[in-house]
Amino acid sequence: KNEVEQSPQNLTAQEGEFITINCSYSVGISALHWLQQHPGGGIVSLFMLSSGKKKHGRLIATINIQEKHSSLHITASHPRDSAVYICAGREGSNYQLIWGAGTKLIIKP
Amino acid sequence: NAGVTQTPKFQVLKTGQSMTLQCAQDMNHEYMSWYRQDPGMGLRLIHYSVGAGITDQGEVPNGYNVSRSTTEDFPLRLLSAAPSQTSVYFCASRVDSSYNSPLHFGNGTRLTVT
Repeated sequence: KNEVEQSPQNLTAQEGEFITINCSYSVGISALHWLQQHPGGGIVSLFMLSSGKKKHGRLIATINIQEKHSSLHITASHPRDSAVYICAGREGSNYQLIWGAGTKLIIKP
Repeated sequence: NAGVTQTPKFQVLKTGQSMTLQCAQDMNHEYMSWYRQDPGMGLRLIHYSVGAGITDQGEVPNGYNVSRSTTEDFPLRLLSAAPSQTSVYFCASRVDSSYNSPLHFGNGTRLTVT
């Protein structure tokens, strides 16, 4: 069983919809990353958070360390948001990140 | 800044051949790492380095070697390619080993071993 689970695996929505992608983990995470992988393959770091909420443009990330859960929200979704969204958690002081398998998001015009 | 530069973008090898995937960063980052990405799985760490002259194994190091003679470069060597090494490889760097700094990724190398 993967220690970091993302849901859903695939998500298709219409332009303008509010999107939520979830990340749950079974180990103690001290910090969590959200990343975006473009259709061309490039990976970009979106957020790092260890508590509360962060916002960047139309993207919002939240985390509840006690409940071992994080969410990535996209408001007013657009076709250019189509990508794979990946969460990864740092377990304690470990160098290694524990990676989710990703959520493939398709936004239709 | 070019960021993290990986070469080549694509490579086809025959079983048993060796090759080196190149990774260079111009951001003076201490930490560099190599991942492989396979369908349906999360990124898996192959090797990492916390500074020049220092390397360590990640989750899936077998069949791969690395070295870090300079801050800028972190090549990944496949010693004797096997079909199980068919994957997309990503190099990533961050300012330091702290997880308060974001990872910067190269554009990936798609490797096929026949």
